[in-house]
Amino acid sequence: NAGVIQTPRHKVTGKGQEATLWCEPISGHSAVFWYRQTIVQGLEFLTYFRNQAPIDDSGMPKERFSAQMPNQSHSTLKIQSTQPQDSAVYLCASSPRDRADTEVFFGKGTRLTVV
Amino acid sequence: GDSVTQKEGLVTLTEGLPVMLNCTYQTIYSNAFLFWYVHYLNESPRLLLKSSTDNKRTEHQGFHATLHKSSSSFHLQKSSAQLSDSALYYCALSDHNAGAKLTFGGGTRLTVRP
Repeated sequence: NAGVIQTPRHKVTGKGQEATLWCEPISGHSAVFWYRQTIVQGLEFLTYFRNQAPIDDSGMPKERFSAQMPNQSHSTLKIQSTQPQDSAVYLCASSPRDRADTEVFFGKGTRLTVV
Repeated sequence: GDSVTQKEGLVTLTEGLPVMLNCTYQTIYSNAFLFWYVHYLNESPRLLLKSSTDNKRTEHQGFHATLHKSSSSFHLQKSSAQLSDSALYYCALSDHNAGAKLTFGGGTRLTVRP
């Protein structure tokens, strides 16, 4: 079990460019989450999927952020027209069940730097 | 909605001293689950311990916490800090309405020095 795999680990983009972040959840896990980590805000929820269906995107900045899960083995987070304030570590996580008592397993994250 | 507050952003301790990291929460749901996740440098955040039972102490890897619903608190404690405990600690909350979705506090960076 390789855990949750996120690629790339580091990404540098110029202001206004697009960034796509990839996540491979643990095989068999039904819930997949995206979080953003910053020093100021800590860990912020962005969006999540259950059995590939979008369930809650209440944390997503609506205009430039989008997430997809085209199959059970990967999810993507796309940020269009990146801005310096998008610089953060983006963490993907998965859980075997979408239940409140269930442990969530995180990847190592993608550090996005917008210059 | 749910919220979690960790009042200390930074805690610096000398090795051997006790650790206490504060966590309070707000939720309208009586069946909330509280978690502590630990994030070591260059690793993935991982679960340290969790609880949903009022006034019951839960322990793991030398750390312990007790959920007190009367005060909406779930403080993390350890009797003697070790250098290897230096990490970022997050308190988090979930409830049956939200499934496995976690609401995190702002995190506390613990630094243990010799």
